[in-house]
Amino acid sequence: DAKTTQPNSMESNEEEPVHLPCNHSTISGTDYIHWYRQLPSQGPEYVIHGLTSNVNNRMASLAIAEDRKSSTLILHRATLRDAAVYYCILRGLGGGSNYKLTFGKGTLLTVNP
Amino acid sequence: NAGVTQTPKFRILKIGQSMTLQCTQDMNHNYMYWYRQDPGMGLKLIYYSVGAGITDKGEVPNGYNVSRSTTEDFPLRLELAAPSQTSVYFCASTRGTGGTEAFFGQGTRLTVV
Repeated sequence: DAKTTQPNSMESNEEEPVHLPCNHSTISGTDYIHWYRQLPSQGPEYVIHGLTSNVNNRMASLAIAEDRKSSTLILHRATLRDAAVYYCILRGLGGGSNYKLTFGKGTLLTVNP
Repeated sequence: NAGVTQTPKFRILKIGQSMTLQCTQDMNHNYMYWYRQDPGMGLKLIYYSVGAGITDKGEVPNGYNVSRSTTEDFPLRLELAAPSQTSVYFCASTRGTGGTEAFFGQGTRLTVV
């Protein structure tokens, strides 16, 4: 799997927007950018994914740089429930290493009341 | 749909005992994964499977075995439990690679004493 780099931790205030960055300079043309999050004492849960265009869903937005070497997960109004570890993952199509689903260390997001 | 179901939720084993962690999914997903997560750490891939009858090693397979006789089930076997296997174990499934999202179980918390 192509590598991603995320900050170890970030802090935000409740009801403010949060921008979580991810660098993936070795991304290939068929790699999808996925974001998952893990709330305390729970299994990871899917947040959003995209290939080239920016994506929005009920949980978050994903902004993808034009050269695709970086992306940003945007939480529009952070709540205390958004405090979690956020993982940015690349996943390509087809076989080989793309079969695996491997996680890095992620970004620990702290939300202050 | 139940999604990904793991049993048991908690288990205490004595050193040298054996057990099987059960994982089943009802989404007809081809790809299934087992992870372990030690306290304060990220997820480490133990084994994965790309379909019934096909399994492969992940990052930390030693001390574990898996089988995949059906699409739905992907049990993880610990033959001779050791204290180093004390961890939280997560099972996950996806329909495919690329842009398909992963679904996770709620985890099995295993303590080996």
